[in-house]
Amino acid sequence: GAVVSQHPSRVICKSGTSVKIECRSLDFQATTMFWYRQFPKQSLMLMATSNEGSKATYEQGVEKDKFLINHASLTLSTLTVTSAHPEDSSFYICSAITSGGAQYEQYFGPGTRLTVT
Amino acid sequence: AQSVSQHNHHVILSEAASLELGCNYSYGGTVNLFWYVQYPGQHLQLLLKYFSGDPLVKGIKGFEAEFIKSKFSFNLRKPSVQWSDTAEYFCAVSGGYGNKLVFGAGTILRVKS
Repeated sequence: GAVVSQHPSRVICKSGTSVKIECRSLDFQATTMFWYRQFPKQSLMLMATSNEGSKATYEQGVEKDKFLINHASLTLSTLTVTSAHPEDSSFYICSAITSGGAQYEQYFGPGTRLTVT
Repeated sequence: AQSVSQHNHHVILSEAASLELGCNYSYGGTVNLFWYVQYPGQHLQLLLKYFSGDPLVKGIKGFEAEFIKSKFSFNLRKPSVQWSDTAEYFCAVSGGYGNKLVFGAGTILRVKS
């Protein structure tokens, strides 16, 4: 089946630094990837939609300059949290849609736990 | 805007009990409906999905869901739960452009052995 990986699984960084999270589709090509954020005891909130070779589309209220998304290839999208602050601490999850598969099915990565101290 | 409401945040059941998790959505157009499960320490997995056709959808691990259009509902059911069903369950809706998924807040199911 379609597998999506994320790296790192956990990261702790100091306030003011930047952190990059990678999302890879391991056995399929993904023209579209999504980035979500999950707060404790809350649902996943879509942050942005990432299309290979073009600029990401951000959801309302998500700062594009703070959460930089790059979808440089059909198997890799990255999310960089710039100048991180403690309120950015969260669980970040990516998902991907297969290029040749069902249009509406998203395959999710295992998530990255970010803690900003 | 789309929204998804899950009725219970925590459900505790004994093994062999029947399960029904409620999900209601708000969206005026054609929708695609999903249930995802997140086992402890694992990533989200698709349990089942509804696009069109038979409103009673069967998924993996004995789960099923029924789409009732008039009630804007897509409740998840399982006749007899197992301890291994302990997980968090998310209902999600996709409709319109871009395949965006809108998730409910999730229901944490704990099955006592």
